Amino acid sequence: GAVVSQHPSWVICKSGTSVKIECRSLDFQATTMFWYRQFPKQSLMLMATSNEGSKATYEQGVEKDKFLINHASLTLSTLTVTSAHPEDSSFYICSADENEKLFFGSGTQLSVL
Amino acid sequence: AQSVTQLGSHVSVSEGALVLLRCNYSSSVPPYLFWYVQYPNQGLQLLLKYTTGATLVKGINGFEAEFKKSETSFHLTKPSAHMSDAAEYFCAVKPDNQGGKLIFGQGTELSVKP
Repeated sequence: GAVVSQHPSWVICKSGTSVKIECRSLDFQATTMFWYRQFPKQSLMLMATSNEGSKATYEQGVEKDKFLINHASLTLSTLTVTSAHPEDSSFYICSADENEKLFFGSGTQLSVL
Repeated sequence: AQSVTQLGSHVSVSEGALVLLRCNYSSSVPPYLFWYVQYPNQGLQLLLKYTTGATLVKGINGFEAEFKKSETSFHLTKPSAHMSDAAEYFCAVKPDNQGGKLIFGQGTELSVKP
C-alpha cells in the first residue's frame, strides 16, 4: 500500500519555541492531508484538513494561528506548533488521502518542557 | 451529528479465545465504517472497511466486522486471538461519505493473555 512518512517521530522542546512536523506521501500525490491529535489513552481528534495550494480548514476549537499548516506541494504538508506550551504536548498524526483511501503516518510525540 | 461509541476502553482475552470489540455509530447518511489498529507509538493501519454491499466484511489478520443497520453497530471480531493482536483498536465513521475526514471512537485496548 501507499506510504506516508512523518518526521520527526519524537521531539522535545522548550516552552515558547516552535516545532515543525512534516508529513510526506512517498509514492503518491495527495491533494488532501489531515492532521490529528491524540492524547494518551484517547481517540484521535481531527485538527485540520490540509489542502494543497490553498488554506487549511480547521476544526472548531483549533487555533489556526497556533497550529500553522502549509501544504505547498502534492507530497508534503507541514504542521508548525508555534510558541509551544506544555499543554500542547501530545501525539500528532497525519494522514494522506489517495483516491479516498487514508494512509497514516507513524506519528510524532511532542513533549514541551 | 455523526459519532462513534466503542463500548469498553479495555478488553482482555486469552490467546486462542474469541475477540469481540464493540462499536456503535450514529450517522444521518448511510455510513462508511472503518476499523483501524494502532500499535504503540505508531500510526494507524486499516483493518477493514464497509462502504456498500455485503454487510460482513473481512479484513487483514483474520479480523472481520458485520454492519448491522438495525442495531447501528459495526462490531469487530476474530475467532482466535494471537499475542500479536494486542494493540489499540479504533472504530471510525466517514461523516459525509466524501473525502478522507473520519470521526473516531474512543478506542479499545486489546490485551491478549498467554
